[in-house]
Amino acid sequence: GAVVSQHPSWVICKSGTSVKIECRSLDFQATTMFWYRQFPKQSLMLMATSNEGSKATYEQGVEKDKFLINHASLTLSTLTVTSAHPEDSSFYICSARLGTGLTGELFFGEGSRLTVL
Amino acid sequence: DAKTTQPTSMDCAEGRAANLPCNHSTISGNEYVYWYRQIHSQGPQYIIHGLKNNETNEMASLIITEDRKSSTLILPHATLRDTAVYYCIVRFFGNEKLTFGTGTRLTIIP
Repeated sequence: GAVVSQHPSWVICKSGTSVKIECRSLDFQATTMFWYRQFPKQSLMLMATSNEGSKATYEQGVEKDKFLINHASLTLSTLTVTSAHPEDSSFYICSARLGTGLTGELFFGEGSRLTVL
Repeated sequence: DAKTTQPTSMDCAEGRAANLPCNHSTISGNEYVYWYRQIHSQGPQYIIHGLKNNETNEMASLIITEDRKSSTLILPHATLRDTAVYYCIVRFFGNEKLTFGTGTRLTIIP
């Protein structure tokens, strides 16, 4: 199956710093990637849709200036958590769609666990 | 996208078939049924999807009722590695987004 890789797998940072998480589609090109957030014992919540070459589309309630998304190429999207605070500690997961058909399956990265001290 | 209802948790003995039900009574004609699973502290893994016909792949089988209001994911010979949260998602044709519910926590018992 298609592989989506995230880096780093886990990161610990101090409050007030910014953290960048990368999402790469290793063996296919993805014009669209998605970013999710998952708090402990909760389900995944979609944060934003990342579009190659254009601005990301954010879900209601997600601060675009807080969570900066850059989809610079067909295989890479980045999520930057700016001025991170302890409440931003979460499991961040990206996904990318394989294939050009609208019913193609979505593949997910391994997730990146962020802990803000 | 149509809403789905799944049991909160299920247990299954190792080696047995695990049957995970999903209710999607408000599904419309061009909405697909998708199944994903999430093993602890990992990203979700695609399992299978279907529209109205039953589907089978190397991981599982998907049985969709004739009226499409419910479906069952079948893991034919469950192993301990199948312990995970299983998500049934109904996705509108053309909608790339996946909306995750609470899923079913499946525990395979030795």
